Amino acid sequence: DAGVTQSPTHLIKTRGQQVTLRCSPKSGHDTVSWYQQALGQGPQFIFQYYEEEERQRGNFPDRFSGHQFPNYSSELNVNALLLGDSALYLCASSFSQGGILSETQYFGPGTRLLVL
Amino acid sequence: AQTVTQSQPEMSVQEAETVTLSCTYDTSESDYYLFWYKQPPSRQMILVIRQEAYKQQNATENRFSVNFQKAAKSFSLKISDSQLGDAAMYFCALPTSGTYKYIFGTGTRLKVLA
Repeated sequence: DAGVTQSPTHLIKTRGQQVTLRCSPKSGHDTVSWYQQALGQGPQFIFQYYEEEERQRGNFPDRFSGHQFPNYSSELNVNALLLGDSALYLCASSFSQGGILSETQYFGPGTRLLVL
Repeated sequence: AQTVTQSQPEMSVQEAETVTLSCTYDTSESDYYLFWYKQPPSRQMILVIRQEAYKQQNATENRFSVNFQKAAKSFSLKISDSQLGDAAMYFCALPTSGTYKYIFGTGTRLKVLA
């Protein structure tokens, strides 16, 4: 049973560029949440996708956008990169049954983004 | 607003000894869940244990157990018979109701001394 996978593992970009990070949820899961974890901090919620729509959003600017595909995988896009976007980006998956979301999220290994 | 506080930035424990990591939180919900996650240097956030607030009994998973005090809004993690592989950052997390976005504490770095 494959767990949550993310790609790439590391990424280096320069200011102003755009980046796309990818996530495949755990088998049987249909909901994907994205978190940003700055060095030495706890993860901060970016947004959550369910049924290919953004269900909830954290306090992040519109430069952060996402997408969920019919196979439940998800992408996180960040435009106009800033130095402050350097962080570990974590994807977490969970499942909903009849619209009731399971409270337990399982995390992927993360993508380390460095903006120069 | 819901908050999670971990007041111990770093803890150390001798191998085979017991250590307790503290977490306090604030929520207006009556039914909720609480989690402890472990994040080793490999970065993967691993679920350690979860507690359902409406259950009186403290959760236990092998060497890991919690001391959940709902009235005090306290949720500490006890690790018994500590092993070198337990060395990691430990995060306490509180899912919000509805969509269950997680609110994390700032983490406690656990060092295990041989």
